[in-house]
Amino acid sequence: GESVGLHLPTLSVQEGDNSIINCAYSNSASDYFIWYKQESGKGPQFIIDIRSNMDKRQGQRVTVLLNKTVKHLSLQIAATQPGDSAVYFCAENRPTGNQFYFGTGTSLTVIP
Amino acid sequence: ETGVTQTPRHLVMGMTNKKSLKCEQHLGHNAMYWYKQSAKKPLELMFVYNFKEQTENNSVPSRFSPECPNSSHLFLHLHTLQPEDSALYLCASSQEVKAGETQYFGPGTRLLVL
Repeated sequence: GESVGLHLPTLSVQEGDNSIINCAYSNSASDYFIWYKQESGKGPQFIIDIRSNMDKRQGQRVTVLLNKTVKHLSLQIAATQPGDSAVYFCAENRPTGNQFYFGTGTSLTVIP
Repeated sequence: ETGVTQTPRHLVMGMTNKKSLKCEQHLGHNAMYWYKQSAKKPLELMFVYNFKEQTENNSVPSRFSPECPNSSHLFLHLHTLQPEDSALYLCASSQEVKAGETQYFGPGTRLLVL
């Protein structure tokens, strides 16, 4: 069946380095994507979103890239900090209604 | 904080108990959602409410009963649960149920069924 998935379940990076978290989606009709961050004991927190009419969107220290040709989404975190340690999910919104499909997440660990 | 609160944060119940989870959103949204999050699995959508009307029930067992008295409050009534129902239950809200609307999550209720 169709699903949203992440290439790597875990990622460790040195503090100050840049992080890249990847996500593959399978429904070419999906037109809206969100990255969420979930810290231990908390609910998912909205980080950044992107619509399918864009290839790139930047926020504060985060950039999301969308490659519709290969149905790939990535989240780049600049100058990763210990507070960035969390599980990161991508969510895919298909145009028929507001149901999101989530990946299992990538666990990011920042090494001081 | 996201503007979505959930109580209790932790709950332990026996299989014969009845309990309720509460969610409240302070964002002026009209759509509210219940999700189940189990370890190492994607979030599973359970119920969707739009303007207090249930618009989605994702084949959820009847031992889970949602209630939405107004657009700001959402409840999940639990009765005769099974141990496999132990999970993090997340509430979310969005402006309405429409493609492209961002959903904002509460902190969740960690449920343990003994």
